[in-house]
Amino acid sequence: ETGVTQSPTHLIKTRGQQVTLRCSSQSGHNTVSWYQQALGQGPQFIFQYYREEENGRGNFPPRFSGLQFPNYSSELNVNALELDDSALYLCASSPKRGGAQETQYFGPGTRLLVL
Amino acid sequence: RKEVEQDPGPFNVPEGATVAFNCTYSNSASQSFFWYRQDCRKEPKLLMSVYSSGNEDGRFTAQLNRASQYISLLIRDSKLSDSATYLCVVDTGRRALTFGSGTRLQVQP
Repeated sequence: ETGVTQSPTHLIKTRGQQVTLRCSSQSGHNTVSWYQQALGQGPQFIFQYYREEENGRGNFPPRFSGLQFPNYSSELNVNALELDDSALYLCASSPKRGGAQETQYFGPGTRLLVL
Repeated sequence: RKEVEQDPGPFNVPEGATVAFNCTYSNSASQSFFWYRQDCRKEPKLLMSVYSSGNEDGRFTAQLNRASQYISLLIRDSKLSDSATYLCVVDTGRRALTFGSGTRLQVQP
């Protein structure tokens, strides 16, 4: 196993609600990236955090926001949930600042269903 | 056009067969290349990095053709346990991995 943990494992919400997903990175890793994987698609990059600062962002609206804490764990917050937000949300940690050349280790994901 | 394109498959092959997957990418400035494996309802796991000179890891061989902007993965002597989705992944230097949609492989007894 990678040592990256995520909670919760599954979540059901309704449209318009807000959700917070959590990730604990592997020991010694200071960079955390979040990805959204819709059914039948590859993961899509949401954003990355390095030492508590956002370090890059994909094509996601501002209602997707995040935080990284001093212990390098991270949260993904999604406001005003839409049906299309239903997906597997993956957190990945890496040991150095986000050159993607560094291997990223993925957690098991949180499966979100929006009704 | 998608940044990383793969044939979704599925590829259905018998045990012991050799199977190859290709992937094309659109950004000529891409710097690093990987193959990840994803089992059903699990997270992606790094299978191997892909180097310009080509590289091999046991039954797996990866090749990169920068001129044509494609990456390949060859699996020899397929095992039942190789059944999974194989994701082609490119680093475009924007501090993010860009994934293809994946190619599904089903190895049959």
